Order: sequence, then structure tokens, then C-alpha cells
Amino acid sequence: AQSVTQLDSQVPVFEEAPVELRCNYSSSVSVYLFWYVQYPNQGLQLLLKYLSGSTLVKGINGFEAEFNKSQTSFHLRKPSVHISDTAEYFCAVSLLQGAQKLVFGQGTRLTINP
Amino acid sequence: EAGVAQSPRYKIIEKRQSVAFWCNPISGHATLYWYQQILGQGPKLLIQFQNNGVVDDSQLPKDRFSAERLKGVDSTLKIQPAKLEDSAVYLCASSPDVKDEQYFGPGTRLTVT
Repeated sequence: AQSVTQLDSQVPVFEEAPVELRCNYSSSVSVYLFWYVQYPNQGLQLLLKYLSGSTLVKGINGFEAEFNKSQTSFHLRKPSVHISDTAEYFCAVSLLQGAQKLVFGQGTRLTINP
Repeated sequence: EAGVAQSPRYKIIEKRQSVAFWCNPISGHATLYWYQQILGQGPKLLIQFQNNGVVDDSQLPKDRFSAERLKGVDSTLKIQPAKLEDSAVYLCASSPDVKDEQYFGPGTRLTVT
């Protein structure tokens, strides 16, 4: 079975500072990797995904993530955050084979302080 | 393009009562998912439909939860009877097919008192 661990439940940062949200996964087989964002009272929105190819993946809103197979990590980064980035961020995995069944981490709440 | 619609947005019921949630996926999407998101946790898949057939319901508590997608479009999720631990946000998502990106609705927040 697959599992996802988001190492920080809350991350406070100042506006325009860089941020990294950490995600580690466990799986005996190859997986796809995703980051979703959830703004207050809204559903989840896909930020970016890693399916294959380059290990550095660029997504929407200036976010990027790097897949590290040896460390089974998929950390999310942004060089300069804005107030509007305040949200909950979820890392997820799904198997390469079969239907896309997402397994989510517990989430990281990103708070941007002015 | 209209997104995934869910109703109601909020619901408060007492334990042992029944409740139903409705989801209208994006037009043309064959695959529909229901997730349960308990406060402080990530979403957990309850059930996945492909058209009007069930693909995966392994994590659905079938003694109290049921779901249907009769015409392969709209879906309803029912809880009967509700327990306190059912308090959560219930998210519906849809995708064009089983291996495609999932698009999420805004969710229904259920509070069981």
C-alpha cells in the first residue's frame, strides 16, 4: 500500500520569502506524484504533477516541485510567496497502473504574514 | 466550462439521523469520486464510479454509507444512520476517464451533533 507523509502541519512565512513544503511517500511500486491546493471553503485544485521525465516539475502560481526517487520525496517550493498563497497544501500519490486512486497526505497549512 | 457542483454546502444533523449529498460532475466526465475529508486530515477516497458502475468502494463503510450514480451523470451519497465521527467535508470529484486529472467540487461540510 502507498502512504504519504507531509512533515509539517503548519508553515508560517513572511510575504516575499521563499517556502518549501515537504512531502515523503512510501510505495513498493512506481507512482505518480501530485500537489493540490485548497483555499478556504473551496475544493482542491491541482498545482502540479510528476508522471515521468524531468524530475523538476513546474506548476501554476509559480510553484515547482522536485522528485527525488532515492529519498522518496516530492518537496514543493516557491521562491517568493504572496498573501494569496495562504491555503492548505496536499501531497498525493497514485499508482502508475490502473485507475487514478489518489492517496493524500494530511496537509500543510501555509500562512503568509505581511 | 462549469465545474463540479455539490449541494448542500453545509448540513447539520443529529446523530442517528439520515443525510444525503448530491454531486453533478463536469459534463462528459465518465469517472466520479466521493472523498471524505476529516478536519486536519487529507481526503480519503470512499467510492469511485466509472459511468454508472462502481470501480472501487473498498473504503466505504457499507453498513451506513451508500452511493449511486444511476444514469452515469449525477450522484448521491447517503449516510444512514449518521454517527458523530461522520462529521467531515464530503468532496466530489470527476475526471474524463479513470487515468485523467480529477476536478474537485467545493464540498459539503457535515456536522453531526
